[in-house]
Order: sequence, then structure tokens, then C-alpha cells
Amino acid sequence: GQQLNQSPQSMFIQEGEDVSMNCTSSSIFNTWLWYKQEPGEGPVLLIALYKAGELTSNGRLTAQFGITRKDSFLNISASIPSDVGIYFCAGYNAGNNRKLIWGLGTSLAVNP
Amino acid sequence: KAGVTQTPRYLIKTRGQQVTLSCSPISGHRSVSWYQQTPGQGLQFLFEYFSETQRNKGNFPGRFSGRQFSNSRSEMNVSTLELGDSALYLCASSLGSRSHNQYQEPQHFGDGTRLSIL
Repeated sequence: GQQLNQSPQSMFIQEGEDVSMNCTSSSIFNTWLWYKQEPGEGPVLLIALYKAGELTSNGRLTAQFGITRKDSFLNISASIPSDVGIYFCAGYNAGNNRKLIWGLGTSLAVNP
Repeated sequence: KAGVTQTPRYLIKTRGQQVTLSCSPISGHRSVSWYQQTPGQGLQFLFEYFSETQRNKGNFPGRFSGRQFSNSRSEMNVSTLELGDSALYLCASSLGSRSHNQYQEPQHFGDGTRLSIL
């Protein structure tokens, strides 16, 4: 099935650093979602984006819906140890399809 | 507001057995989706139920089946278990109401059932 291209696959950073990750698709999407999953838990919704160009923040997290509607970005500022986890992008494409399409995730490790 | 509840949290089975997993969605949510998650493969979509009807299906063999009850609770069943079925099975719910743009609704997840096949 279709998958989103999410990068980087993993990141190992120092506490306090900023983090950027992105997700791209070959087709147009009308919704982008960013989730975080911690060990032993299900994914938790962080940010939802509904309009091209939309920029939305949730605390230290900021996500953007790309102008082309084929990509999205997630930034984390001033990372802290509890940011550790796997970040997934997901979206609904503009076709007649109710399936939520997923990226393979970005694994984030933060060195205190 | 209670979240999505999945039971059991952990399950150990042997090859050839069958298993039933349960999911109670967020109150008021009528759509329930099931995913299989394995390392390196991400979340693989199994199926979605809305108003007791399967309205979307992924590319899994017929050994994987599901159903939804009138109270929106859902179960998934896997028969003739194989070693490769070992995974985290996640359930997600959303409103699914026709008054909303169904393509835009975020899904909300439970903590999953960890299934291990020996």
C-alpha cells in the first residue's frame, strides 16, 4: 500500500537542540497529522493540519502543511529528554480514499 | 473523557491457535480502525468499521477478520496464527459522523495489544 516518505529515519541529539523532520508524498494530501509514540503506548496525536501553508504550534512543537500539499514538516525546539520517542506523520490524500496513510516514523533519542 | 481501551494488553499464543482482541472506542466515536505494527514496517492498516459495517480493508489475508457491535465496540480475530503475526495490534477510533469531513478526522489510539506467537 501507499506510504509516506518520512525522514530522517532516526536522530540522536543533545538536550537543548532543535529538531526538524519531514514527510513527503507523490500525491496531494488534504490533511496532515503528526503523532508521537512512546514505548509500550499507542501513538498520540500532536498536531493536525488542514490547509496548505498552515503553520500550527503545540508548545515547543511546530508543524507546517506544505504549499504544494505534498509535504509536511515538524520542528521541535529546545529538545528535552521526554521528547524521546518515535514521531509518525500521517495523512489523508485528496482522492476518494478514507485510509489514513502513514510514514515509517522518525526515532528520536535525546542525550541529556 | 475515557480514551480508547484495548484488551488484553499482552497475549501469548502458539502457532495454529486463534485469538480475539477487543477495542472500546472513545464515547461517541463510531469509527474503529485496526492496525498491525511491527518494527521497521510502521503501521499497517487492517480494516475499518463504522456502524457495524466494514467500510475499508487493508491487504491482509482472510485469517484476519473483525466485527463491530451496536455500541461501537470492536473485536478483531486472527485464526491459524503464524509466527509472523507477532506484533503490536493497535485500535484507533474517530467520530466517523457524516456531518464531518471523514477524510480529515484524526484517529485516536489505544495502547495496543502485544501479541507474541511461540
